[in-house]
Amino acid sequence: GNSVTQMEGPVTLSEEAFLTINCTYTATGYPSLFWYVQYPGEGLQLLLKATKADDKGSNKGFEATYRKETTSFHLEKGSVQVSDSAVYFCALSDLELSFGAGTTVTVRA
Amino acid sequence: GAGVSQSPRYKVAKRGQDVALRCDPISGHVSLFWYQQALGQGPEFLTYFQNEAQLDKSGLPSDRFFAERPEGSVSTLKIQRTQQEDSAVYLCASSPSASRDTQYFGPGTRLTVL
Repeated sequence: GNSVTQMEGPVTLSEEAFLTINCTYTATGYPSLFWYVQYPGEGLQLLLKATKADDKGSNKGFEATYRKETTSFHLEKGSVQVSDSAVYFCALSDLELSFGAGTTVTVRA
Repeated sequence: GAGVSQSPRYKVAKRGQDVALRCDPISGHVSLFWYQQALGQGPEFLTYFQNEAQLDKSGLPSDRFFAERPEGSVSTLKIQRTQQEDSAVYLCASSPSASRDTQYFGPGTRLTVL
């Protein structure tokens, strides 16, 4: 079956630091890959997605590249802000979404 | 435009009570999904509708869980004889098509069973 494994948190960073959250997946087909974000007190929001191998998704300074050879979709941001503090979920879709456990990121001023 | 809405936002039930959770998807969205999110975990798939047809209910944890979408828009997730292990946030998501499209999530209903 499909599954997603992402880096455990919590992660605490200073403003302007580099952020990376590792995500690997197991899938039987050719899924689409997603990063969703949950800000404090809010619902899940799509951050970025990639639908095929070598695609790069990007949004709000975050990037992730769909790597079929390593079955990975790591999330990166070069310079984080306090407003990036949230829980980040990696997910794959073969119609329904399979989520990782989530990584809590706290950015300190 | 309006996003996915869910009601109630919070529900407290005594063990053994029945509850009904409502989801209003984005207008015109074909697909509707229900997920269960336990504290500190990622959401887990419960069931999927394409219009009014329930095409996948493999994630429903027991026969106490029942979902419907009779007219292909609003959906209701019903839990009968609630148990403490049913305490979780129940998320509804909709997407425009019947393929692996982006899903748009509602704010969730936090169910606490005492």
